[in-house]
Amino acid sequence: DTEVTQTPKHLVMGMTNKKSLKCEQHMGHRAMYWYKQKAKKPPELMFVYSYEKLSINESVPSRFSPECPNSSLLNLHLHALQPEDSALYLCASSPTLPGQGTYEQYFGPGTRLTVT
Amino acid sequence: AQRVTQPEKLLSVFKGAPVELKCNYSYSGSPELFWYVQYSRQRLQLLLRHISRESIKGFTADLNKGETSFHLKKPFAQEEDSAMYYCALSGVNAGGTSYGKLTFGQGTILTVHP
Repeated sequence: DTEVTQTPKHLVMGMTNKKSLKCEQHMGHRAMYWYKQKAKKPPELMFVYSYEKLSINESVPSRFSPECPNSSLLNLHLHALQPEDSALYLCASSPTLPGQGTYEQYFGPGTRLTVT
Repeated sequence: AQRVTQPEKLLSVFKGAPVELKCNYSYSGSPELFWYVQYSRQRLQLLLRHISRESIKGFTADLNKGETSFHLKKPFAQEEDSAMYYCALSGVNAGGTSYGKLTFGQGTILTVHP
C-alpha cells in the first residue's frame, strides 16, 4: 500500500457537533501531518506528529484536537467548529522525521468539511 | 522566517510552447525546495525536489541560490500539464537536516490550450 487514505471524503456538521477525521498510511512513515486548505489557496500546516508524538502545533484553536493512536493512524477530532472552518483537510506523511534529513511529503485526497 | 513567492496566479500557454513557472524564496539558511502539482480532482503530489536534480514528465527546476529562485520549466507543454502548481520550501538547519515544516507559495494555475 503506497497511498495515504482519508475518511470520510465529505463531512457536513453543525456547530455543536463532535466529529472526527481519520488518516491512514501503511508505508512505514513516522512523520504525519494535518493541513487545512481553502479553495484555490495553498495548504496551511496545522500539526506535525513524529513517532506518534506531537512535535509542531501551528497555534491551532483548541476546537481542533489531533491524536496519533499508532504509527499508521492519525485522527483529527472536531468540536464546536465555526463556519469559517469549512475547508479541505489534508493529511500527509513523510518517510523522514523532521530534523533528521531531507524529506518529502505524501498527501491524502483530503476530507471536504462543511460547517453549518 | 521562510517565505515562497509565486508571482503568477494564472499562466496560459499553447500546446507545444515552452513554459516557465516562477518561484522565489526567502530563507536565511539552506532551504530544500520542492514543486508539487494538483491536477483537477486529484490529490496534491510531489513533482520535483531540488536535491535529486531529476526530470519528471519533462519538467526540470534548478535552484539558483544567488537569485533565490527555483523556477519550473518545460520545453514543450502538453494539455495534460494543466493543473495547479505549488512551489514549497522546507527550512534546513546548519546540520543539513530539515525542520519538518513545509511552506507553500500561493500557487500558479497553468492552462495549456490545444
